[in-house]
Amino acid sequence: SQELEQSPQSLIVQEGKNLTINCTSSKTLYGLYWYKQKYGEGLIFLMMLQKGGEEKSHEKITAKLDEKKQQSSLHITASQPSHAGIYLCGAFQGGSEKLVFGKGTKLTVNP
Amino acid sequence: GAGVSQTPSNKVTEKGKYVELRCDPISGHTALYWYRQSLGQGPEFLIYFQGTGAADDSGLPNDRFFAVRPEGSVSTLKIQRTERGDSAVYLCASSPAGQYEQYFGPGTRLTVT
Repeated sequence: SQELEQSPQSLIVQEGKNLTINCTSSKTLYGLYWYKQKYGEGLIFLMMLQKGGEEKSHEKITAKLDEKKQQSSLHITASQPSHAGIYLCGAFQGGSEKLVFGKGTKLTVNP
Repeated sequence: GAGVSQTPSNKVTEKGKYVELRCDPISGHTALYWYRQSLGQGPEFLIYFQGTGAADDSGLPNDRFFAVRPEGSVSTLKIQRTERGDSAVYLCASSPAGQYEQYFGPGTRLTVT
C-alpha cells in the first residue's frame, strides 16, 4: 500500500521567516492534496496538484509537485501566527477514491 | 453555504457500549467518506459511499464497525461493543460528482473509557 512520509514532523519558526514542508510518496503520485488542520477542527483544503511540475499558490502558500521524485513541497513565505497548525499531505491510493495521508507536520509560528 | 457537519462533536462512552456517529454532507454531494484519526497520525480511510451504496469498505477495521447512508445524504457510522482502542477522532468528508476534492467536517471525538 502507498505510504506518505512528511518532513519535518514539527517545525518552530519566528514570524516572518520562510519555511518548507516536504511530502514523499512510496509509490507513483496520481494527485497530491495539502490540507491544514487546527486542534479540534476538521481539515481545511489548501490545494490539489495533479500534474508533474505543477505549482499552485494561495496567498503566501505555494505547493509544487515533482512526479519523478514522487514528492511534493509546501512553501510558506513570510510566515504569520495564523499559519500555525498541522499540515497534512494526502494522495489517492492508485485506482481508488480513498485518500492516504501522511502523519502531518506541526507548525508553530512565534510572534 | 453550509459545510459538512458532524454530531456529536464529542462522545464519551464506556467499553462495550454501542455508539452512532452522524455525518451531514454538503447538499448535493454524491460521495461521502469516513476516516479515523488517532493522536499524532494522519486520517485513516474507513469507508466510502457513492450515493446510497458503500463503494469501498476496505478500511473498516472489523465487523464491529458498520456504516449506512440510506437516502444518499446523511450517513451514520455505527460501532458495536466499543473498545478503548476505538478512541479517536472520526472525520467525515464529502465531494460532488466528478470532482476529487474532499471537504471535511470538524469530526467527532470518541473516547471509550
